[in-house]
Amino acid sequence: KAGVTQTPRYLIKTRGQQVTLSCSPISGHRSVSWYQQTPGQGLQFLFEYFSETQRNKGNFPGRFSGRQFSNSRSEMNVSTLELGDSALYLCASSLEGGELFFGEGSRLTVL
Amino acid sequence: GESVGLHLPTLSVQEGDNSIINCAYSNSASDYFIWYKQESGKGPQFIIDIRSNMDKRQGQRVTVLLNKTVKHLSLQIAATQPGDSAVYFCAEINTGGFKTIFGAGTRLFVKA
Repeated sequence: KAGVTQTPRYLIKTRGQQVTLSCSPISGHRSVSWYQQTPGQGLQFLFEYFSETQRNKGNFPGRFSGRQFSNSRSEMNVSTLELGDSALYLCASSLEGGELFFGEGSRLTVL
Repeated sequence: GESVGLHLPTLSVQEGDNSIINCAYSNSASDYFIWYKQESGKGPQFIIDIRSNMDKRQGQRVTVLLNKTVKHLSLQIAATQPGDSAVYFCAEINTGGFKTIFGAGTRLFVKA
């Protein structure tokens, strides 16, 4: 069974731009969660989607948004990028309430 | 963002010794706990889990202990190997809240 796939793996943007990251979950997993990981920090919860509905959201500004499609694939978007948005963005899928299966992440650098 | 705290940010052990990584969690309503291991360039991977109705669970070379009275979780790794070098995260889940909260992570160095 294929794992969680995230694209792109690496990207560089400049301040003020926007970015869209994509995540394809493991087949059969309907829950997708997004996390931001910065150097020296833990994993900060962004949001969780299940069957196209956002069920929970972390403490991030409105510039961070996401969505989930009917095939469970998910995207997250960050608008008006700031230097502090440079991070590894991790997507994880799961059967409801269980272990998270992570992708390898999308590393975003904002210049 | 929300996070679960850890007592030790780094831990250095000799190969063959046992390692203990500690974690304090915040939500007494959390009913499920998982330890994850993250190697360089990869996403975190499941190591072992424990439900809140248990206080100990053993896997292959790993043991998780849960003390709900003081909201403390620990991961014990027996006979630590160089391949165990990684960052370890504890995670707490309130299965009704649809989110997993992670600790800040402990980096484990294994000296040969």
